[in-house]
Amino acid sequence: QSVLTQPPSVSGAPGQRVTISCTGSSSNIGAAYDVHWYQVVPGRAPKLLIHGNKNRPSGVPERFSGSKSGTSASLAITGLQAEDEADYYCQSYDSGLNAWLFGGGTKLTVL
Amino acid sequence: EVQLLESGGGLVQPGGSLRLSCAASGFTFTSYAMTWVRQAPGKGLEWVAAISGSGATPYYADSVRGRFTISRDNFKNILFLQMDRLGAEDTATYHCAKEGSVDILPGAVHDFWGQGTLVTVSS
Repeated sequence: QSVLTQPPSVSGAPGQRVTISCTGSSSNIGAAYDVHWYQVVPGRAPKLLIHGNKNRPSGVPERFSGSKSGTSASLAITGLQAEDEADYYCQSYDSGLNAWLFGGGTKLTVL
Repeated sequence: EVQLLESGGGLVQPGGSLRLSCAASGFTFTSYAMTWVRQAPGKGLEWVAAISGSGATPYYADSVRGRFTISRDNFKNILFLQMDRLGAEDTATYHCAKEGSVDILPGAVHDFWGQGTLVTVSS
C-alpha cells in the first residue's frame, strides 16, 4: 500500500482526455511539497513529464499538464495517442518518513 | 545530451554483495545531486538512495539503510551503489537518475534517468 495513492489503471480512446490522480496526506502533498510525474515504458529510461506540480520540461508536449490541490495532485493527458501507452508515477517528499516517495503507478491503456 | 549508463548488475546469492556503477556524461557532474531508484519485477518505482553533488551528504531509504552505500567519483563522473547483505527483496532493475540541483532538497526532481541494470538475488 503506497503512501501516495494512484488508480491502478486508466484507459481512453485516441483523441480523448484522461486524468490520473495522486492522493497523499498532510505530511507530503498537503505539506506543500512539490509533486512530479514520470512516464515509464518497459525497457526504456523513465522520463520526467511534469515537475513542480505543473511545469513541463522542454520537449514534453503541451498535451500533458499537472495540477495540485490540497492533499492531491493530477496528471491530465489530452488528445491521447497510441504512444502515450505507458505507466505513470507521481512522486513527492514525505516529512514524516523523511523519504522521497512514488505513487503505486497507473497503467494507461490507449484503446 | 545527458547520458546515464548503469552497469554492474547480475545474479548474486542471498547474503552476497554487488557494486553498481553509473557513468554520467553531458552535464557538469559535480553540480548535481544523484539518486538510485529501483523497480522490482511487476512492481512500482522505489527511491533507494541519494547523494549531494559534493558527495558529502548521503540519504537512504529505510529498506536499505545499513546495507547499501551510495558514493560518487567526481573526477571520473561515476556514481556507485555498493550493495551488501542482499536479499530476495532487493531483486530489481536499478536506475540512476540526475537531480535538478546540487543538494538533495525535499522538492528534489529526477530530471534524467538511465535505462537501468538488473540485479537478481537468488540461490
